[in-house]
Amino acid sequence: LAKTTQPISMDSYEGQEVNITCSHNNIATNDYITWYQQFPSQGPRFIIQGYKTKVTNEVASLFIPADRKSSTLSLPRVSLSDTAVYYCLVGDDLGGGGQLTFGSGTQLTVLP
Amino acid sequence: DAGITQSPRHKVTETGTPVTLRCHQTENHRYMYWYRQDPGHGLRLIHYSYGVKDTDKGEVSDGYSVSRSKTEDFLLTLESATSSQTSVYFCAISDQGLAGRFEQFFGPGTRLTVL
Repeated sequence: LAKTTQPISMDSYEGQEVNITCSHNNIATNDYITWYQQFPSQGPRFIIQGYKTKVTNEVASLFIPADRKSSTLSLPRVSLSDTAVYYCLVGDDLGGGGQLTFGSGTQLTVLP
Repeated sequence: DAGITQSPRHKVTETGTPVTLRCHQTENHRYMYWYRQDPGHGLRLIHYSYGVKDTDKGEVSDGYSVSRSKTEDFLLTLESATSSQTSVYFCAISDQGLAGRFEQFFGPGTRLTVL
């Protein structure tokens, strides 16, 4: 079962780029890496997903090195509204006997 | 936002009491999940369903049972609630395949307190 480790908290200022790293040393060959964002009193919301190398969408980039033992979520030019908890999830298709492992989350606080 | 509702949104109950939480979706997604969220643990999968009457256990299934008699409803039952089951419970759905590989959409959560 892949165990994930994330920093508990990070602070940043508006307009800066933020990088949040998740460590997943025991990631399995079929596992994907997904990042979710969660605001207080709400359910998590999908941000981005990848398997290897780099993935970019309209809100974030995900960097995954060749050994896939870690991943980095990159948020460009954060704003106050990006203050939230960010979770990484490692897992694959449960039907194949796989598992899901959410990290404990990183509280990102964006300061003015 | 995906059409997912959870009921009740808040519940306080006593130890030993049976409790049922309901997740209802209007998206016709095949896959449904129940998670619990506790400080320091993130989200942990309790049970999941890959179709009507098809369910399986997750990481923390002890003390919980589920049922899915219709595509749109996924019920989580605590047969005899304990204080360790005090938590926030989230339901999630996905359409293309089981979570981990595909995006999940989460409900608003149910805060359960067991005294």
